[in-house]
Amino acid sequence: GENVEQHPSTLSVQEGDSAVIKCTYSDSASNYFPWYKQELGKRPQLIIDIRSNVGEKKDQRIAVTLNKTAKHFSLHITETQPEDSAVYFCAAPGLYSSASKIIFGSGTRLSIRP
Amino acid sequence: EPEVTQTPSHQVTQMGQEVILRCVPISNHLYFYWYRQILGQKVEFLVSFYNNEISEKSEIFDDQFSVERPDGSNFTLKIRSTKLEDSAMYFCASTDPGNEKLFFGSGTQLSVL
Repeated sequence: GENVEQHPSTLSVQEGDSAVIKCTYSDSASNYFPWYKQELGKRPQLIIDIRSNVGEKKDQRIAVTLNKTAKHFSLHITETQPEDSAVYFCAAPGLYSSASKIIFGSGTRLSIRP
Repeated sequence: EPEVTQTPSHQVTQMGQEVILRCVPISNHLYFYWYRQILGQKVEFLVSFYNNEISEKSEIFDDQFSVERPDGSNFTLKIRSTKLEDSAMYFCASTDPGNEKLFFGSGTQLSVL
């Protein structure tokens, strides 16, 4: 919804380990939750999204889980690699939005240690 | 794959000057957006545009900002009298009806001196 909280703000993991980023939203009517990856100086790139009729979605090393009751969703990256280092943003639809507007979380800077 | 294109990639201007940032959305898209990102911060919604009018705007989008679709392909953001705090990366985005997925342009880095 209009308020999207994201944590942690920074995350450092050893290469090969897993990383988890969590977000909460306020509008219980929200039904679409994308995750974006942004490399330095580049545009946000959609990496995975989930709709509210499913609880989990996987795409290779990336997965997203959604708990509609608790109004939170998480990004899971397994077997992390150096190229996973970036800023990750969760997002959710704007409150009462009829224009497909999305509101971004504050971002998580993920660093992968070699 | 079709892309949203933005020009210029960098814009430097003096405080108080007008700037126009240009975007060419994906051709069959009907919803258009401007977002901005101050260095090191999150991506903030500015405005959405549909059917030749503003659908929604944020508190950031005050009277100094305006948007226009002057022809069938361009979508512009004008800042009338730039302030130092307008310095940011400005992203244009578009999507088609019924699709929540936004497609972002590569951004215009605006520096106000």
